This record gives sequence, structure tokens and C-alpha cells, in this order.
Amino acid sequence: DTAVSQTPKYLVTQMGNDKSIKCEQNLGHDTMYWYKQDSKKFLKIMFSYNNKELIINETVPNRFSPKSPDKAHLNLHINSLELGDSAVYFCASSQGTRLVETQYFGPGTRLLVL
Amino acid sequence: GENVEQHPSTLSVQEGDSAVIKCTYSDSASNYFPWYKQELGKGPQLIIDIRSNVGEKKDQRIAVTLNKTAKHFSLHITETQPEDSAVYFCAASMGPNSKLTFGKGITLSVRP
Repeated sequence: DTAVSQTPKYLVTQMGNDKSIKCEQNLGHDTMYWYKQDSKKFLKIMFSYNNKELIINETVPNRFSPKSPDKAHLNLHINSLELGDSAVYFCASSQGTRLVETQYFGPGTRLLVL
Repeated sequence: GENVEQHPSTLSVQEGDSAVIKCTYSDSASNYFPWYKQELGKGPQLIIDIRSNVGEKKDQRIAVTLNKTAKHFSLHITETQPEDSAVYFCAASMGPNSKLTFGKGITLSVRP
């Protein structure tokens, strides 16, 4: 049973394209996150949603738009992809509303923009 | 905002030896300090955490110590095994509604 799943696992696309990454968690958690991990392994939070409401929105370009249709899903849509968007994107979830609970990460989506 | 630094960036130990990874943080208001392990091709996974009301916590071969005065905390792994080889991230948070700020990660290699 996969706790936090992401699709696709790999995404190779051209500059300027629009793409989406999907995330689902079957843990019954209330809070979900998107993180970006760059080529140097630096892990930085992008967004956090609690019960479909945005609670963290870091300094991320407007080209990135998260969408949470329900509390088990948090998708990430990226418009007008740029070379610098190439990274691994991780979805995560945690129980309750406190951000200091254990975060469970998905397997990551490896995005390469050519 | 919070700044978390990890030292060293890489660490290589012989199987069976101990490994110590240190982190420092900048904001004295931080009170939650988790450690995550990331294996190759996978997402990070929590291995241990500590809150500011305790100075040390152990879980089998893993322990974390916290020095709030000096604003640093350390991960101790005893009797290292090849499967301990991974990237280890420390993180800090200022409370229930604050994000986790991660360090840059350290690559631990355990030589058989």
C-alpha cells in the first residue's frame, strides 16, 4: 500500500510547456506539502495545504499553482516551464493541523526541462 | 527567518564505527528538530526528532542531542551498517504553524 504517491515519476519536457504533477495520500492526513529539491539536494518547501486551504506559500513564481480538490490530493501545475524548474519535486503529508508532525514524503517526480 | 546549517557535507566511516552529524540553527525560537534520511531515488523519511524540552532522545542505534544554548543539535549513529548509507537532513521549526527549514544535507557513506 503506497502511503503518498506521485505521478508521473519522470517528466521530460520542453521549455515553455505547461505540465502537472499529481499527488495522492491514503493516510487520512489533513496537511499536504510540495517541496522542491535542486541538483545539490537542497530541500525547500513551496506550498502547504490544510484541509484544502493554502497555509504556506513560499516565494514561488506565479507560474506554479497548487490545487487541492480534496484533502487527499494536492496537485501542482506549472506554466511556461523554464530550465531552472528542473529539479525533483516531492509531495508530503502530515496528520493534523500542526506543521511539526511527522511528514511522509512521496517518491518524487524528476522534472527535466530542455 | 530560520537558517539551518549542516557540517560536514560528506562523511565516510568504516562499518561498525560511529557517525556524528552536526547542525546549527539561527533562531532561538525554534523548538522542533527532526532528522530525515533519504535513500537513493526515494523521498526523505523521518528517523528521529527532538523537541526543545528534552536534551537527548534515543531509538536503538540512533540518538539525537540538543544544546539550546549553543543552538546546535547532533545525530549519532552507532554500529554503522552499509544500509545507513544515505543523505541525512536536519531541520528546524519554530512551532506548530511554522514550516520546516531543512539543512543542505550530508551524504553518509559506510564502507564495508
